[in-house]
Amino acid sequence: KQEVTQIPAALSVPEGENLVLNCSFTDSAIYNLQWFRQDPGKGLTSLLLIQSSQREQTSGRLNASLDKSSGRSTLYIAASQPGDSATYLCAVRTGYNTNAGKSTFGDGTTLTVKP
Amino acid sequence: EAQVTQNPRYLITVTGKKLTVTCSQNMNHEYMSWYRQDPGLGLRQIYYSMNVEVTDKGDVPEGYKVSRKEKRNFPLILESPSPNQTSLYFCASRGLDSPLHFGNGTRLTVT
Repeated sequence: KQEVTQIPAALSVPEGENLVLNCSFTDSAIYNLQWFRQDPGKGLTSLLLIQSSQREQTSGRLNASLDKSSGRSTLYIAASQPGDSATYLCAVRTGYNTNAGKSTFGDGTTLTVKP
Repeated sequence: EAQVTQNPRYLITVTGKKLTVTCSQNMNHEYMSWYRQDPGLGLRQIYYSMNVEVTDKGDVPEGYKVSRKEKRNFPLILESPSPNQTSLYFCASRGLDSPLHFGNGTRLTVT
């Protein structure tokens, strides 16, 4: 059974800092990995999707990397801003033909960026 | 605009009164899924559907029903809601290699 862990559970940084959020998973036979942002009481917004054959994806100030062999992904946020404050979740999707391509979610890292 | 639409956004009901939460997507996605999110328990999958007329249980299916009569719609049915089903519910959809798209959520309170 796939297990996804995100550490730390919470992170507080001053504005302008570069930061890294971590996601680890137990089964390396993944189909893809997706990072989401969730604001309090709101839905999940997709940030980046990395297919199993890829090593990283970039969007603006965000960069996500994937190392399947070690069961890890990182989300790098450059020059953090107060508007980046949210909970960040990673989701690992297992093989397409097994368990219908189930996505397993981590519990998230709650980020606070102080002005 | 590509989106997953859930209704209602907020729902307060009483124990035992049947309710339906609707979910619709306009991206022609085959896969749709329902999740509930609870503090300390994270996101848990309730049911999912790989295509029309194909549904299967997720991790916490007890007390819920779903149907997939049309590709775009995937309603969640609570035949006899109980207080332990008070939660934030999300519908999501995706294509084969596309990202998972979420609706804005339905906050359900059962008294």
